Amino acid sequence: QKEVEQNSGPLSVPEGAIASLNCTYSDRGSQSFFWYRQYSGKSPELIMFIYSNGDKEDGRFTAQLNKASQYVSLLIRDSQPSDSATYLCAVKDSGYALNFGKGTSLLVTP
Amino acid sequence: DTGVSQDPRHKITKRGQNVTFRCDPISEHNRLYWYRQTLGQGPEFLTYFQNEAQLEKSRLLSDRFSAERPKGSFSTLEIQRTEQGDSAMYLCASSPKGLTYNEQFFGPGTRLTVL
Repeated sequence: QKEVEQNSGPLSVPEGAIASLNCTYSDRGSQSFFWYRQYSGKSPELIMFIYSNGDKEDGRFTAQLNKASQYVSLLIRDSQPSDSATYLCAVKDSGYALNFGKGTSLLVTP
Repeated sequence: DTGVSQDPRHKITKRGQNVTFRCDPISEHNRLYWYRQTLGQGPEFLTYFQNEAQLEKSRLLSDRFSAERPKGSFSTLEIQRTEQGDSAMYLCASSPKGLTYNEQFFGPGTRLTVL
């Protein structure tokens, strides 16, 4: 069973702070890693993907990947109340499907 | 807007009835996926099409479920003899050919309620 683990939260951060969301995965053959944002009642929206070790930055978002530790994270700088959502980590192995975690609920308080 | 579209957005049915959902992928995306999501869970993969060929099916896709993509464009997902456990959000995603990393873009979903 290939597992993707996330802390369900809620993770509460004040507006303007850095939110750090973490994800671990069990399949060492995993090739690429995705972060999706999902607002309540809506479908997942792709934020970022990463496939090599290190950091990848896009605006206020930074994805970090450590394949040796089987760990991927998402940092959100200058968090805004509009960032309040569930963040889903997804992992792709050699197949076609994405294997999702259960998501971490983020609450940014004004 | 040329994003993934799904129809209907909501479906309420009685147990034992058949239902069919439609997905129109982003134009020129040749890869299409179906997922199912229940409350508090991440999406679970159901099946994958590349053009009209169904290349992968999850064990979650019981014999009551069937999916088609006859001309390599839109896809349908049919559930026969629905059960209350089928109540979920059914999500369709697509990705373009040629990308290695398989970024998948989701449609708005079809929320199914089985009474």
